[in-house]
Amino acid sequence: AQTVTQSQPEMSVQEAETVTLSCTYDTSESDYYLFWYKQPPSRQMILVIRQEAYKQQNATENRFSVNFQKAAKSFSLKISDSQLGDAAMYFCAYTQGGSEKLVFGKGTKLTVNP
Amino acid sequence: DSGVTQTPKHLITATGQRVTLRCSPRSGDLSVYWYQQSLDQGLQFLIQYYNGEERAKGNILERFSAQQFPDLHSELNLSSLELGDSALYFCASSPEGLAGETQYFGPGTRLLVL
Repeated sequence: AQTVTQSQPEMSVQEAETVTLSCTYDTSESDYYLFWYKQPPSRQMILVIRQEAYKQQNATENRFSVNFQKAAKSFSLKISDSQLGDAAMYFCAYTQGGSEKLVFGKGTKLTVNP
Repeated sequence: DSGVTQTPKHLITATGQRVTLRCSPRSGDLSVYWYQQSLDQGLQFLIQYYNGEERAKGNILERFSAQQFPDLHSELNLSSLELGDSALYFCASSPEGLAGETQYFGPGTRLLVL
């Protein structure tokens, strides 16, 4: 079965500090894509970052970056200079070659303390 | 704003009833996906359409059905509703429905079955 595991149900960080959210996944495919989505209290699902598994370089989007460890099947999200607006649920997800469906983890609730 | 619209935003109905959720994809996107987010099951893929044709099916109950119309909007029909169908239903869209494409999510329809 395709699975995504987010081992931290909740995390907290001080404003302006850095936090890392963990994600591991299980796939036997070599062609797949990894995503982090953010769900703020408004419930809207917002793409944070996307990584292609065949690319060794870690994706970066402004204050958001990933640490992609393909052999370990790990895909963690680092948020630098945390802001109050970063408070949300964060979901790790992937799609694998031949399938367009997103498989999601259970999510990590991030609290940002002022 | 992702460009994906969903109506209605909220829906309250009774067990045994039937409801229709509507989704309009981003301009130019040919593929539409439906996901269900519930407390116990998390985010689950239901079904995908591409240019009017069903492309992939996930954990969609037989009481649920969907279609995509020539103007590319999609409808998800839920019938014989049960309490457990209460959830947030998301529609997402992508340009070609290919694996790895970013899926842009609508704001969701919150369904409450009483």
